[in-house]
Amino acid sequence: DAGITQSPRHKVTETGTPVTLRCHQTENHRYMYWYRQDPGHGLRLIHYSYGVKDTDKGEVSDGYSVSRSKTEDFLLTLESATSSQTSVYFCAISQGNSNQPQHFGDGTRLSIL
Amino acid sequence: AQTVTQSQPEMSVQEAETVTLSCTYDTSESDYYLFWYKQPPSRQMILVIRQEAYKQQNATENRFSVNFQKAAKSFSLKISDSQLGDAAMYFCAYAGSGTYKYIFGTGTRLKVLA
Repeated sequence: DAGITQSPRHKVTETGTPVTLRCHQTENHRYMYWYRQDPGHGLRLIHYSYGVKDTDKGEVSDGYSVSRSKTEDFLLTLESATSSQTSVYFCAISQGNSNQPQHFGDGTRLSIL
Repeated sequence: AQTVTQSQPEMSVQEAETVTLSCTYDTSESDYYLFWYKQPPSRQMILVIRQEAYKQQNATENRFSVNFQKAAKSFSLKISDSQLGDAAMYFCAYAGSGTYKYIFGTGTRLKVLA
């Protein structure tokens, strides 16, 4: 299995608080991604990174920011959490060649009350 | 923009029977890759099978096979001899050649009946 660790696995927090999710990889893959999974929507891309300090927006980036200061770590931050951001968040990595599949972490269930 | 559609939100199959999950996609590219992922209740995302668009031969992995119809932009997954462990959410995904973005369908929940 690809070495991808997401932390925390579960989190409950209140509206308006900042939240940071961490993704750590041991595969030295160049590309890292953050998705959210919601019923009826599948997986939607929030942000991705194509290298250290190189990031770009996905289709649902509003309200989220990311940072990548090291190859192995990709952080997702909700600056001021809202109830609409209650979701399961997945980190994924890939080597950057589209013929290679993405490998996923185990997900973080985030509940915002 | 590319899109991926899974029109069956839920499917059921009897144990040991065969079931086919549908996936269609829309793209103007000629070279791309398609994937099926399985997500069991544990929430893990597990790669099931992969298909290169330039290959006419359908991919097969043990009991899992695909029916890839490039002209129809269809990529269905066939599961033979269904087992209780096959019960999961299944996602179809598309990746254009040379791109680093993957586009996922909304998923099909498969129930396996004993």
